[in-house]
Amino acid sequence: SYVLTQPPSVSVAPGKTARITCGGNNIGSKSVHWYQQKPGQAPVLVIYYNNDRPSGIPERFSGSNSGNTATLTISRVEAGDEADYYCQVWDSSSGLLLVFGGGTKLTVL
Amino acid sequence: EVQLVESGGGLVEPGGSLRLSCAASGFTFSNAWMSWVRQAPGKGLEWVGRIKSKTDGGTTDYAAPVKGRFSISRDDSRNTLYLQMNSLKTEDTAVYYCTILRSGSYGPLDYWGQGTLVTVSS
Repeated sequence: SYVLTQPPSVSVAPGKTARITCGGNNIGSKSVHWYQQKPGQAPVLVIYYNNDRPSGIPERFSGSNSGNTATLTISRVEAGDEADYYCQVWDSSSGLLLVFGGGTKLTVL
Repeated sequence: EVQLVESGGGLVEPGGSLRLSCAASGFTFSNAWMSWVRQAPGKGLEWVGRIKSKTDGGTTDYAAPVKGRFSISRDDSRNTLYLQMNSLKTEDTAVYYCTILRSGSYGPLDYWGQGTLVTVSS
C-alpha cells in the first residue's frame, strides 16, 4: 500500500514561513490534498489538487508537488495557524483507496 | 450552509455491532459522494470507506482494516448516510467523521461533520 511520510512536528516563529512536507513514491504524479485540524475540532480542507484553495482559506496557504515530495507552505504564520496538518492522496495500486499522511503538528513559537 | 451531523456513537463490547448515522443538509445529498473517516484517540486520520451517488452507481469501497465488517449505505429520501459496524474490535475505538467526497476520481474531502465517538471496550 502507498505510504505518505510527514514530519511529526514543525515549529515556526510568528510572521515567518512554515513548510510542511509530505513524502511518497512519485507523489508528483498524484493529486495531493491538505487538511488542517485544530484541537477538539474536525479537519478542514485547506489545499486541494496540489495548490488550489477553498473559499475562505487565506492566500497565505499554498501548496506544491513534485517528484517524491509535496509541500504545504504557510506564509506570515499566525498564532491561529497552530494545528495538525494532514496530507492525503488516492492510491490506485490495489483498488482505489484514500491514504492520509501521519500528520504534522505545527507549533507557533 | 452545509451541515453534517453524526449520531449513534457510544460504548459497545468487542464483537458487538453499532450503526452510525449522518444527517446531511444544505446541499443536494442524492448527488453527493460520501465518505467516513475515523480518528483513534490521540492518533491521525484513517479513511474508512466511501459510497458514490446512485446516479454514479452507488458503489462502495472500504479500507482493508474494516472490509467485510463495516458497510456504508445511504437513504437519499432521508438525506442520511449510514455506517453499519459489525464484529467490532478494540482498535475500532475512534471518533468517526462523516464527510462529503468531491465526486470523480482523486477528489478531496470537502466538508466534515463534527464526529461521533465510538468506544469498543469490555
